[in-house]
Amino acid sequence: KQEVTQIPAALSVPEGENLVLNCSFTDSAIYNLQWFRQDPGKGLTSLLLIQSSQREQTSGRLNASLDKSSGRSTLYIAASQPGDSATYLCAVKGGTYKYIFGTGTRLKVLA
Amino acid sequence: EAEVAQSPRYKITEKSQAVAFWCDPISGHATLYWYRQILGQGPELLVQFQDESVVDDSQLPKDRFSAERLKGVDSTLKIQPAELGDSAMYLCASSLDPWTGGFLTGELFFGEGSRLTVL
Repeated sequence: KQEVTQIPAALSVPEGENLVLNCSFTDSAIYNLQWFRQDPGKGLTSLLLIQSSQREQTSGRLNASLDKSSGRSTLYIAASQPGDSATYLCAVKGGTYKYIFGTGTRLKVLA
Repeated sequence: EAEVAQSPRYKITEKSQAVAFWCDPISGHATLYWYRQILGQGPELLVQFQDESVVDDSQLPKDRFSAERLKGVDSTLKIQPAELGDSAMYLCASSLDPWTGGFLTGELFFGEGSRLTVL
């Protein structure tokens, strides 16, 4: 059974800092991995999708990497801003086309 | 920009009452998902549709929850009777059929969610 873990659960950093969020999964047989952002009381916004054949994806200040063999993905945020404050979730899509989500990392960027 | 529509955004009800949530996925998306998210946790799948067919409802409490997608487009999730433990955010998401599309095949898109409070 696929399990997805995100560490740390919460993170507080000063504005301008580069940071890394981690996502680990137990079953490496995945189709893709997706990173989301969730603001309080809102739905999830897709940030980056990495197909199983890819190693990384980039969008603006965000870079996500995928290492299937070790069951890990990282989301790198460059030059963090207060507007980046949110909960970041990763989700892994496996053989049943079911997405399994982590519990998220709550990020707070201090001005 | 295409988006997943959900209603209502907020619903307050008393236990034992019936509630219903509606979702309209992005046009052309064959796969539709209903998730439940309890505060501080990740979303958990309740039911997954491929067109009008249920693909996975293994985590749906079938004694009180039901879901349908009659014409393979919009969908309704119903709870009857509601219980205190049902208080949560109910999220709808959609994606293209994984066997079609291109580079973005399988990307999941969410609506704004429906926040349910059961008193």
